[in-house]
Amino acid sequence: QQQVKQSPQSLIVQKGGIPIINCAYENTAFDYFPWYQQFPGKGPALLIAIRPDVSEKKEGRFTISFNKSAKQFSLHIMDSQPGDSATYFCAAVDNYGQNFVFGPGTRLSVLP
Amino acid sequence: KAGVTQTPRYLIKTRGQQVTLSCSPISGHRSVSWYQQTPGQGLQFLFEYFSETQRNKGNFPGRFSGRQFSNSRSEMNVSTLELGDSALYLCASSLELGYEQYFGPGTRLTVT
Repeated sequence: QQQVKQSPQSLIVQKGGIPIINCAYENTAFDYFPWYQQFPGKGPALLIAIRPDVSEKKEGRFTISFNKSAKQFSLHIMDSQPGDSATYFCAAVDNYGQNFVFGPGTRLSVLP
Repeated sequence: KAGVTQTPRYLIKTRGQQVTLSCSPISGHRSVSWYQQTPGQGLQFLFEYFSETQRNKGNFPGRFSGRQFSNSRSEMNVSTLELGDSALYLCASSLELGYEQYFGPGTRLTVT
């Protein structure tokens, strides 16, 4: 119940495409859902986050869609660029901010 | 504002030895969390400290321990190292509760 499932494991898109990464959770105590981007040799960097009272959030080219009833959320990257090639992690945090669970990650490659 | 710093960045140890890793959080951040990242297991939560107290602990053996100092700096210790402890150890800091976590670059530990 503490798991966060993430798919696909890897993704290849052409420059300008819109990669979509999906995550699902079971624990209804989760109330904060961040996405992290990690480049090789670096720590994960916070990209964007959403709370369950909002169905969509945009920051630049990154959009989170959230479906509370289905307990699913997804990351869309608009007009993807080769520089977006990285591993993306979704995460879920419980309502005490103490239980921080990461998905297994998606390796994204954006071809020039 | 300086980000999260971790020292050392790389470490090679022998089985049976012990190791201490250090983390300096972003100035003003009082919560520090530690994670282990491996290709097979992904990002796994080790423990979280807030105001020098361990608030939460992941599912790791007692060989893994940590502490936090009054200036919010944190250390983690792994005793009796095993080959399987080879991983990237990441530290993350946040202002209060662990919602917005900011990661350091990690310490790459190799156990031979």
